[in-house]
Amino acid sequence: QKEVEQDPGPLSVPEGAIVSLNCTYSNSAFQYFMWYRQYSRKGPELLMYTYSSGNKEDGRFTAQVDKSSKYISLFIRDSQPSDSATYLCAMQGAQKLVFGQGTRLTINP
Amino acid sequence: GAGVSQTPSNKVTEKGKYVELRCDPISGHTALYWYRQSLGQGPEFLIYFQGTGAADDSGLPNDRFFAVRPEGSVSTLKIQRTERGDSAVYLCASSLAPGTYEQYFGPGTRLTVT
Repeated sequence: QKEVEQDPGPLSVPEGAIVSLNCTYSNSAFQYFMWYRQYSRKGPELLMYTYSSGNKEDGRFTAQVDKSSKYISLFIRDSQPSDSATYLCAMQGAQKLVFGQGTRLTINP
Repeated sequence: GAGVSQTPSNKVTEKGKYVELRCDPISGHTALYWYRQSLGQGPEFLIYFQGTGAADDSGLPNDRFFAVRPEGSVSTLKIQRTERGDSAVYLCASSLAPGTYEQYFGPGTRLTVT
C-alpha cells in the first residue's frame, strides 16, 4: 500500500463547476500537506499548503486537512479552463515530499 | 529572479550508456532534491542535499544512480549502465532551508532509454 493514495482520474467538468480533489494517507507523522499543480511538460508548482488539521482559503481554492481521518481535500470554485492540469497532493515526511499519483483535471468551456 | 533550471530538457540514450543530468537551483537555496516521475505517476524522492553533502539518499533505486553537489550549488545526477526502466522525467527542486515545505521545482529532464 502506498503512503499517499490519490485517484488519478481523469476528471472532466464544465467551466464554472466546483471541483473536489482528494487524497488519503497512512503516515500519521506527516505535518505539512501541500497541493501542487503541474501543467503538461512542466515541473510541479506549489498551489497551497496547510499545516496540521484545518482549512485554508486562497481565492477560488480551499484546502482542507482532517488528520483524524488521514484525508485531505482541495476545492476549486468557479473553475476555469486555465485550471486544467494535473493536481498532485504532497506531504512532508522528514525532509522529502511524498506525492500522490496526481489527478488529471480538464475544465471544459 | 531565475527559477530552478535543468539541462538537458530532453535526453535520448541507448541502453547501457552513461548519462549526466544537471540541476541549477535558485540562488541562495541550501537544500536541493532530486525526484523521478514516471508516466502517470507522482514524483518519487531520490536524494536530498544539504549544502555539499547528501543528507538522505534512501530513494536511489540502486548503485547505478549517483548524485553530487561539490560546491553546494549545482548538482549532477549520474546514471550508469542505463536501462529502459530508467526512462522517466527527472525533477530537481530546491528550498531556502532544509525541512521547509516550500520546494521549487525545475521543468525536469525527460530521459528516454532506447
